[in-house]
Amino acid sequence: GQNIDQPTEMTATEGAIVQINCTYQTSGFNGLFWYQQHAGEAPTFLSYNVLDGLEEKGRFSSFLSRSKGYSYLLLKELQMKDSASYLCAVRSLSGGYNKLIFGAGTRLAVHP
Amino acid sequence: DSGVTQTPKHLITATGQRVTLRCSPRSGDLSVYWYQQSLDQGLQFLIQYYNGEERAKGNILERFSAQQFPDLHSELNLSSLELGDSALYFCASSPGAVSSYNEQFFGPGTRLTVL
Repeated sequence: GQNIDQPTEMTATEGAIVQINCTYQTSGFNGLFWYQQHAGEAPTFLSYNVLDGLEEKGRFSSFLSRSKGYSYLLLKELQMKDSASYLCAVRSLSGGYNKLIFGAGTRLAVHP
Repeated sequence: DSGVTQTPKHLITATGQRVTLRCSPRSGDLSVYWYQQSLDQGLQFLIQYYNGEERAKGNILERFSAQQFPDLHSELNLSSLELGDSALYFCASSPGAVSSYNEQFFGPGTRLTVL
């Protein structure tokens, strides 16, 4: 089966660094996405990893270890607007087509 | 703005009723995906269409159905509605069905409330 685990909630201070972990078990792994979602709004794409290693994009970085079924999203220089849910999503190739399976999300609260 | 549009933005209806949610993908995108997001279950994949044909199915109930039309817009039909169907329904689109990089762009969602 498919399983994605991430912490339910995290808190951090403005200006700090926070790391959100995601572990997964899936067949036909074909990439891992991180999305940001503010309450009541659409998810927006943050990052994509398909090979092991770190992808850096401004204040956000994402890491993947396929052998460990593990990824993390690193947010630096936290701002109040970073308060949102962060969704880890695994793309699984099955029957020749991709499916995107989402974790339940990590709700991040950034405090002054 | 992702370029994906969904109508209506809000929908309030009663149990037992039937509703249709509409989605227009980004220009040029051939794939449309439907997701349900309720408070206690996160984002659940329902179904995917590619160029008019069903491609992948997730946790979609038999009371729900979808289709993609020749102009590539898609509709999600929900029938015999129950209180538990109250949720945010998102549509997403992407250029293809299978590719090495296939980011999905999400629409603003339709909030369905079943009373």
